[in-house]
Amino acid sequence: GQQLNQSPQSMFIQEGEDVSMNCTSSSIFNTWLWYKQDPGEGPVLLIALYKAGELTSNGRLTAQFGITRKDSFLNISASIPSDVGIYFCAGVDNTNAGKSTFGDGTTLTVKP
Amino acid sequence: ETGVTQSPTHLIKTRGQQVTLRCSSQSGHNTVSWYQQALGQGPQFIFQYYREEENGRGNFPPRFSGLQFPNYSSELNVNALELDDSALYLCASSPQGATLRGYTFGSGTRLTVV
Repeated sequence: GQQLNQSPQSMFIQEGEDVSMNCTSSSIFNTWLWYKQDPGEGPVLLIALYKAGELTSNGRLTAQFGITRKDSFLNISASIPSDVGIYFCAGVDNTNAGKSTFGDGTTLTVKP
Repeated sequence: ETGVTQSPTHLIKTRGQQVTLRCSSQSGHNTVSWYQQALGQGPQFIFQYYREEENGRGNFPPRFSGLQFPNYSSELNVNALELDDSALYLCASSPQGATLRGYTFGSGTRLTVV
């Protein structure tokens, strides 16, 4: 079945630093989504990407849809303490009711 | 507008029992999906409901079943519970035809099977 490999598994950074994380797949996706999950909550959508090569920003967050359609990247600039959480990538399967296949997440810790 | 609400928030069941989890979708959303999230992992797609019918399913056995009601709320039923069913169960809703734009997730039901 489809699998997403998300890296790094965890990151410990200082406040103000930039962060990069990525997601690779064995399959092609036509849509990539990035979510953030806080403890005790469900994932919250951050950015959606619909086209290979697309670069989309949401405030300090920037995500890119890889040219091969098998990968995606998320960057966070000038991190702040509230960026702490687990970041998930998800590839959407248009052929199965828009099923989202999630990676196992990148846990971000920001030290003040 | 209200978001996705799930009940109960926590539940403890014994192996072999049956459980029903409930979800109210966000106002205006008629598509509901259920995901299972084991500790330390990403959510895994169980199935999706639209117009009261299942229209997509992941790799879960038939003892995982669901319902959607005319008001778009939904239930997830799991029979013959196993220890590995212990997980956070997430309900997510989206407007018709907008699943590619991502879901609105509830806070989940934490199920523990002992």
